[in-house]
This record gives sequence, structure tokens and C-alpha cells, in this order.
Amino acid sequence: RKEVEQDPGPFNVPEGATVAFNCTYSNSASQSFFWYRQDCRKEPKLLMSVYSSGNEDGRFTAQLNRASQYISLLIRDSKLSDSATYLCVVKTGFNKFYFGSGTKLNVKP
Amino acid sequence: DAGVIQSPRHEVTEMGQEVTLRCKPISGHDYLFWYRQTMMRGLELLIYFNNNVPIDDSGMPEDRFSAKMPNASFSTLKIQPSEPRDSAVYFCASSPAGTGPATNEKLFFGSGTQLSVL
Repeated sequence: RKEVEQDPGPFNVPEGATVAFNCTYSNSASQSFFWYRQDCRKEPKLLMSVYSSGNEDGRFTAQLNRASQYISLLIRDSKLSDSATYLCVVKTGFNKFYFGSGTKLNVKP
Repeated sequence: DAGVIQSPRHEVTEMGQEVTLRCKPISGHDYLFWYRQTMMRGLELLIYFNNNVPIDDSGMPEDRFSAKMPNASFSTLKIQPSEPRDSAVYFCASSPAGTGPATNEKLFFGSGTQLSVL
């Protein structure tokens, strides 16, 4: 079983739409959680960390449910520039970062 | 500030040849990671170092792969002999030591090496 599972998509949405991505992780002892963004043929970059109480960064909201081992990312008012692959990342106590396979988002005019 | 620097950006080689990928982490970062990315398997952790010492190499596919970190500013990933199934993008990433929940735990990636083994 993979450490982190994500729906690969693609999610095709119009500009201005709200879109949500989910991921699940298998290791209940995982300590830290993140969403990374990867543009085509580029390296992954940190989008935001995910805190237990949930957190927001502008149009982006991340949620964590430890009981269900579930992480979500909500993007409001989608922009064309949001088109990318979104990677769910989980860090274990041994400082190992496990990446999901990514969810592809296409925002269309 | 210079980020993580990888070389070469692209490598095309023939099956059976030795391939060496290079990485310079961000100065002061204690952790260095090597990842491989393919369409089929996504980003896979191959090995990581802490203070130049290999901590976990359980992701290294087989004995053809080896990684070294002779000092805090340089690491190599070597494949010998290379095979077509090794074709992928290889990323190096570095990270400062984690000091608490999430705040300073961040991976900084290099631009990757696109490896094609013919």
C-alpha cells in the first residue's frame, strides 16, 4: 500500500470555480503534512503546510483529519495560473517525506 | 541566495554506461534527499543523508545505484550500469533540521536531472 494516495485527476474547472483535492495517508504516526505544487517540467515547491486546526493562505485552505488520516486542499476563485499538479506530502518521525502521485488541475478560461 | 544546484540538467546515455548525477545543497541545510520521478510511480524517495551520513537507503532500487555525500556541500548519485528503466527525472532536495511542527520543515528542490537511457 502506498504511503500517500491521491486522485490523479485531471480536474478541469473554469476560472473562478472552487475546487477541492483530497488525499489519504497510511502511517498514523505521521507528524507533518504539506501541499506542494509542481508545474510541468519543474521541481515541486511548497504551497503550504497543513496544521491540525486547519489553515488558510489567501484563496487556499488546507484541512487535516488525523482520525481519518485525510488531508484536503480547497482552492477558491481559481485562476489560470493555478493550473499545475498538486502533491500531498507526509513527513514521518524519521524525517522521511512521502509524496502522493499528484492531482492535476487545469483551469480554463 | 543560491538554491539547490543539480547537474547536469539533461543526460542521455546508452544502456550499460555509468551515470553520475551531482547535487549541491543549500548551505547550512542538514538533510539531503534524492528522489526519482516517473509518470508511473510519481516521486520516490531513494536515499537521504543527515549531516553527510546516509540514514535510509531503503528506496534505492538495487545495487546498481549508489549515493555518496563526501562533505556538506556535495552529493552524488551514481548508476552503474544504467538501464532504460532508469530513465526518469532525478531530484535532489535539501532541508534544514526540523525544529517543530511544520514551521521549519520544508524541502527545497533542485531543478532536477532528466536522465534518458537508450
